[in-house]
Amino acid sequence: NAGVMQNPRHLVRRRGQEARLRCSPMKGHSHVYWYRQLPEEGLKFMVYLQKENIIDESGMPKERFSAEFPKEGPSILRIQQVVRGDSAAYFCASSKQGAGYTFGSGTRLTVV
Amino acid sequence: GENVEQHPSTLSVQEGDSAVIKCTYSDSASNYFPWYKQELGKRPQLIIDIRSNVGEKKDQRIAVTLNKTAKHFSLHITETQPEDSAVYFCAASTGNDMRFGAGTRLTVKP
Repeated sequence: NAGVMQNPRHLVRRRGQEARLRCSPMKGHSHVYWYRQLPEEGLKFMVYLQKENIIDESGMPKERFSAEFPKEGPSILRIQQVVRGDSAAYFCASSKQGAGYTFGSGTRLTVV
Repeated sequence: GENVEQHPSTLSVQEGDSAVIKCTYSDSASNYFPWYKQELGKRPQLIIDIRSNVGEKKDQRIAVTLNKTAKHFSLHITETQPEDSAVYFCAASTGNDMRFGAGTRLTVKP
């Protein structure tokens, strides 16, 4: 079991570009969660998805950010027109129903 | 939604001493309370968890207690070692999404 796979590990984008972060959950897990972590800070909830459905996106900014978890393929967190304040580590976690979250290694986004 | 408060934000102890981290939660429907350890530059890793039908759980040097009435839970690490130094996060879940505390940076001095 390869665990939760996130890629890329590091992503550098210029201001105004788009960032796409990918997350493949553990085998058998149908729940995916995205969190943002600023340096020296905690894990801030962004969005919770199940296959083809967004269950809770209350932590995600209304503009420029979107997430999907299609029937086939990984979950994608998409940030359009990135700004310097988007620089952070983005962690994905997966679980079966509501327990045993396993985190991926994260994607470290740097906006220059 | 759920709100999780965690204290202290930093904690420094001498090797061999005990460390206690406390969390409170707001949603009485929360029924699952995991603790994660995050070392610098790495992913958070589950170290212990407790469900609402249990008041205490222990795994070697780590224990967690839960008081559902007061809506608080605590992590206890005994006989601390330098490798316990990390950031620790508590979390609470209703069975769907999960909310985390702000984290406690634990430093164990040799």
